[in-house]
Amino acid sequence: EAGVAQSPRYKIIEKRQSVAFWCNPISGHATLYWYQQILGQGPKLLIQFQNNGVVDDSQLPKDRFSAERLKGVDSTLKIQPAKLEDSAVYLCASSLNPVGGYEQYFGPGTRLTVT
Amino acid sequence: GENVEQHPSTLSVQEGDSAVIKCTYSDSASNYFPWYKQELGKGPQLIIDIRSNVGEKKDQRIAVTLNKTAKHFSLHITETQPEDSAVYFCAARPPAGNMLTFGGGTRLMVKP
Repeated sequence: EAGVAQSPRYKIIEKRQSVAFWCNPISGHATLYWYQQILGQGPKLLIQFQNNGVVDDSQLPKDRFSAERLKGVDSTLKIQPAKLEDSAVYLCASSLNPVGGYEQYFGPGTRLTVT
Repeated sequence: GENVEQHPSTLSVQEGDSAVIKCTYSDSASNYFPWYKQELGKGPQLIIDIRSNVGEKKDQRIAVTLNKTAKHFSLHITETQPEDSAVYFCAARPPAGNMLTFGGGTRLMVKP
């Protein structure tokens, strides 16, 4: 079974630029999550999708971050404009659904450096 | 919201010894507690989990215990090996939704 795919793996941008990350979840997984992991800390949930609808985005900085999951499969996370404090690893995870499948499976992440 | 504290932040053991990592959580309604292992440059990988209706779960060299009254749970690794070296994260999940709150992580180093 293929795992969660993410691209790019690394990205370096200057502050005030924009950047986008892509995620392809495990086939059949209805729920998709985006996490931000700052160096030395645990992952922090940014947004959760159930199919193509948003379940929770309470910790997403909506003035600069946006995410979408068109057709309920792939997802993109965008930052515009980026700030220095956005430097982190952005992890995508998926699970079958919140009721029947608790287990979340993570992708390798995208390491973002904002200079 | 949920808050998860994890200790210690670093742990160094000799190969073959046991390692114990402890976490406390704040929301008594949380009912699912996974543990993840994260190696350098990789995403977290689920290694074991426990639900609130169970007090202990074991999988080969790895075990997790849960004390709901005290709101803490622990990861136990026996007969540690160098390949166990990684950062370990605990997490807790409240009954509504599937949003995990992670602890700060423990860097485990197993010395050969």
